[in-house]
Amino acid sequence: SYELTQAPSMSVSPGQTASITCSGDKLGNKYVCWYQQKPGQSPVLVIFQDARRPSGIPERFSGSNSGNTATLTISGTQAIDEADYYCQAWDTSPHVIFGGGTKLTVL
Amino acid sequence: QAHLVESGGGVVQPGRSLRLSCAASGFSFSHFIMHWVRQAPGKGLEWVAGIWFDGRNTSYTDSVKGRFTISRDNSKNTLFVQMNSLRAEDTAVYYCAREATILGGSMGYFDYWGQGALVTVSP
Repeated sequence: SYELTQAPSMSVSPGQTASITCSGDKLGNKYVCWYQQKPGQSPVLVIFQDARRPSGIPERFSGSNSGNTATLTISGTQAIDEADYYCQAWDTSPHVIFGGGTKLTVL
Repeated sequence: QAHLVESGGGVVQPGRSLRLSCAASGFSFSHFIMHWVRQAPGKGLEWVAGIWFDGRNTSYTDSVKGRFTISRDNSKNTLFVQMNSLRAEDTAVYYCAREATILGGSMGYFDYWGQGALVTVSP
């Protein structure tokens, strides 16, 4: 079965750039999206179709996808960006696949 | 603005059944593919099941196949999941989610989520 792999956690200083990665076999051939989830809240879509931002998502959020790795980049990270981030794609079943999530700490 | 509200969660013994509902409003429910996604306590997101616009096509993750049934009532703008033979590992918050659609084509990502319903399977 297809798997998406994310680092369990990472930290970044305020104002710096956070790069959260998601890896999978030939992931660049699939569309990837990203969700942000804060404690006690439902997930929120922050990037879809690899690099597109939904209305209302700040410009500091961007995405890319090539080869075996998709990346969510948060430029000028703010304290409010501290959250869990999940990548999502589809396998060939077709079934929805989520990465294990990355807990981003801003300190 | 789309709005999804889950209901029906609670505590249930192993082997018993439970049905969750998701009431949709603010959009044309029958025009969207809908899904259930769950999250065990302290764990990540796990897709559970999806259902096509008219309910004719459904898909399930392997761990719930044969035990869970996703359905919808487009006349009542409501999504359901019937969960039978529940196990401790089914304990989770269950979210209903709308798959984004543009010009009638499904886009493969979830643009709206409900607030979730907690299901606890415990003796």
